[in-house]
Amino acid sequence: EVQLVESGGGLVQPGGSLRLSCAASGFTFSSYWMSWVRQAPGKGLEWVANIKQDGSDKYYVDSVKGRFTISRDNAKNSLDLQMNSLRAEDTAVYYCARSSKAGWVFDYWGQGTLVTVSS
Amino acid sequence: EIVLTQSPGTLSLSPGERATLSCRASQSVSSSYLAWYQQKPGQAPRLLIYGASSRATGIPDRFSGSGSGTDFTLTISRLEPEDFAVYYCQQYGSSPTFGQGTKVEIK
Repeated sequence: EVQLVESGGGLVQPGGSLRLSCAASGFTFSSYWMSWVRQAPGKGLEWVANIKQDGSDKYYVDSVKGRFTISRDNAKNSLDLQMNSLRAEDTAVYYCARSSKAGWVFDYWGQGTLVTVSS
Repeated sequence: EIVLTQSPGTLSLSPGERATLSCRASQSVSSSYLAWYQQKPGQAPRLLIYGASSRATGIPDRFSGSGSGTDFTLTISRLEPEDFAVYYCQQYGSSPTFGQGTKVEIK
C-alpha cells in the first residue's frame, strides 16, 4: 500500500524558516517524480514544487522561487521542502504527492501538514 | 501559465441526478494532459480522471471525463451520497495548475 506521511508543520513567524518532510513507503520511491502541493485555508489547490527521480531536475511555482528548496533522499525514501523567508500567504496545508507515470498528475497524496505563518 | 476556470462554482443536485462540471483553459492543454480530483472536507484530494478521459485505479464508472484543447468536462452519471464534494481540474502539460474548484452540494 502506498503511504505518504508528512511532518514538520507548525507555527512560524514571518521571515522565519521551516522544513517539511515526507516519508514514503509501499512503492519504489526512486522511480517517481515527487511534488509538494499546498492549500490555503478555505481555498483551492496550488502546486508548489516537484523533483525528478534522481533529484537532477527541480521546478517551482513563481511565488516560492528563491525561498523554497525541494530535495529528496532515495536511500531513505524521503522528500523534503525547505521553506525560508516565510510570508503570511504561505499559510496552508502542505501535501506531499506522487506523480504518476502518466506525467505530473498526482495519483497518491499524504494527509497534509499545516504551516501557519503569523506573528 | 495556463489558467483553468471551472464552472459552475456550486452545483446543487439531488442523489441520482447527473452532474456536469466544466473546466476551461486559457490556452490549449497539450496532449489532453488534464486531470480531475475529488476532495472531501478534511481529506486530501483523490485522483479521479487523468489524460482527460482515463479513470484512475478504483474509480467507479459513473465518473467520466471528456474534452480536448481548451474545454473539458467531468460527468457523474448518477450522484451517490458519497459524491458530494469539491472537484478540481488540473492541467499538467506545462507547470501544473489547478482550477478554483466546483462544489457539488446536496439540493
